[in-house]
Amino acid sequence: LAKTTQPISMDSYEGQEVNITCSHNNIATNDYITWYQQFPSQGPRFIIQGYKTKVTNEVASLFIPADRKSSTLSLPRVSLSDTAVYYCLVGDLSGTGGFKTIFGAGTRLFVKA
Amino acid sequence: DSGVTQTPKHLITATGQRVTLRCSPRSGDLSVYWYQQSLDQGLQFLIHYYNGEERAKGNILERFSAQQFPDLHSELNLSSLELGDSALYFCASSVSGSGREQFFGPGTRLTVL
Repeated sequence: LAKTTQPISMDSYEGQEVNITCSHNNIATNDYITWYQQFPSQGPRFIIQGYKTKVTNEVASLFIPADRKSSTLSLPRVSLSDTAVYYCLVGDLSGTGGFKTIFGAGTRLFVKA
Repeated sequence: DSGVTQTPKHLITATGQRVTLRCSPRSGDLSVYWYQQSLDQGLQFLIHYYNGEERAKGNILERFSAQQFPDLHSELNLSSLELGDSALYFCASSVSGSGREQFFGPGTRLTVL
């Protein structure tokens, strides 16, 4: 399984765009990149998932360069409620042999007023 | 509300005891995943079941076991409990066995005294 590396923490202000980058140098051909958000004492919540280029949904964008060795989660105009831990995961979603989800340490985002 | 339910919400027990945690996946989801989250270890994948069969195993201790029943609910059994087993235990579910978008339950907080 590809190991991921993220910044331990980031600070931002309300209304700013936040970009969190994740490195996954050993990503395999079948691996997808998934981001989750977790608030204290709650289960993680799925944010976005992608394989290459750019994916956008109603809450975030995910940018993946051609070599796929990194990815960037972009949160537009953050608010105080976006203060949470953000996890980047990489894994094979081909459905063979089950899915061993490996969460790294995550990035602790703190949004200030 | 993710649609995944976990019971009990809190559990306090003594060392050496055995407990059972229960998880009901979202309607239609065939996969159940179990995770342990403690302060010093982060979110650790334990085991993945798909439609009643074990599909992937993480760092699950021999004292821990799980199963998924025909109605797709799952139970995580923890025995010979130690102080270090105190943690939040989450289950998650997904439609397929591939790990795409997992929906997490609210967790069971286990305290071993």
